Amino acid sequence: GESVGLHLPTLSVQEGDNSIINCAYSNSASDYFIWYKQESGKGPQFIIDIRSNMDKRQGQRVTVLLNKTVKHLSLQIAATQPGDSAVYFCAEWLSGGGADGLTFGKGTHLIIQP
Amino acid sequence: GAVVSQHPSWVICKSGTSVKIECRSLDFQATTMFWYRQFPKQSLMLMATSNEGSKATYEQGVEKDKFLINHASLTLSTLTVTSAHPEDSSFYICSARVAGRTDTQYFGPGTRLTVL
Repeated sequence: GESVGLHLPTLSVQEGDNSIINCAYSNSASDYFIWYKQESGKGPQFIIDIRSNMDKRQGQRVTVLLNKTVKHLSLQIAATQPGDSAVYFCAEWLSGGGADGLTFGKGTHLIIQP
Repeated sequence: GAVVSQHPSWVICKSGTSVKIECRSLDFQATTMFWYRQFPKQSLMLMATSNEGSKATYEQGVEKDKFLINHASLTLSTLTVTSAHPEDSSFYICSARVAGRTDTQYFGPGTRLTVL
């Protein structure tokens, strides 16, 4: 089964408000996490990443928080804009075992209300 | 920099035919490339890991004889869907890992495969 998941399939927010997208992971050995944005019909676009030795990392309008105690990851988007409408995936880095790719969560569809 | 391209971006084929999808790293060398499959309204699922010059490693449940992967150079990996069936219709996405950096992957734009 998937080791990374999301709590809500759809999140609707008002334009200008802050958005918070959550993700839970199950592998406590994972040490690298990434948030991706995927627009319809396109490949995933890197937003921000964080390593397990950190609990917070900020980018431009985005912040990722990592709580290793409860294995929870969140993405905060400040002042949400129409262009932020997309599906957001968290991904967990799992290495070793012969295959070495990212494990993606189910995704949250962020909808921006005007 | 760090651009990954895929070709074709969209393909329609008849059931029983084979389709080849190319994944290229345009401005960097990629010793490792990954192939993912994404069904509508679902997440990306890793199919296989492709290492330059060696055999691909497939995820459990992925038929290696059906999804042939070739990584002949540091900038090109190909996925061939053999004897395609309608259930193979999906969005196929590749990613490339920068040589020497184990944690950075760049994703291609995806290829939409429709099998009639």
